[in-house]
Amino acid sequence: DAGVTQSPTHLIKTRGQHVTLRCSPISGHKSVSWYQQVLGQGPQFIFQYYEKEERGRGNFPDRFSARQFPNYSSELNVNALLLGDSALYLCASSTRQNNEQFFGPGTRLTVL
Amino acid sequence: QKEVEQNSGPLSVPEGAIASLNCTYSDRVSQSFFWYRQYSGKSPELIMSIYSNGDKEDGRFTAQLNKASQYVSLLIRDSQPSDSATYLCAVTPSLGGTSYGKLTFGQGTILTVHP
Repeated sequence: DAGVTQSPTHLIKTRGQHVTLRCSPISGHKSVSWYQQVLGQGPQFIFQYYEKEERGRGNFPDRFSARQFPNYSSELNVNALLLGDSALYLCASSTRQNNEQFFGPGTRLTVL
Repeated sequence: QKEVEQNSGPLSVPEGAIASLNCTYSDRVSQSFFWYRQYSGKSPELIMSIYSNGDKEDGRFTAQLNKASQYVSLLIRDSQPSDSATYLCAVTPSLGGTSYGKLTFGQGTILTVHP
């Protein structure tokens, strides 16, 4: 079975722009979580969706939003990009809300 | 106090030795505990999960959990140069609440296994 997939792999944006990141979970997984990882730190939780409903939100500004589609894929949107948003954005999927989470390859976002 | 703490290292061990990685957490009622391995430039890869006190072994890896001491560790036996990576400890909170499935990570321990 295919693992978690994310697109795009890399992205370069300028300050103030908007970005949409996409994630497809492992087949059969109904929960998708998003994390931000900056260099030298562990991933930080942004959102969790389970059965298409938001089930958790981390300490991120309202510029960050997400949604989950009927096929359980997910999008993360970030508005009004700041230099500090430059990071590796990771998507993880799990069968249920509190199960083992498996990460995709990530999207490397650079904001100039 | 950080929610999950790890010694950032780097931890350097010779090939064939046992590498011991440690993690402490602050939420006494945390439910689930995970170890991820992350190679440079790659995403985290789940290598162990543990849910109850005691030891759990999987090949060369052993996870140890002590909820009373709020401590979880990972032992890597017969360390290989290919084990050189950053090891991330992650914890999920207690049942219920709005962050039920949230993984809280430590900052990671860099492990180097030298031939």
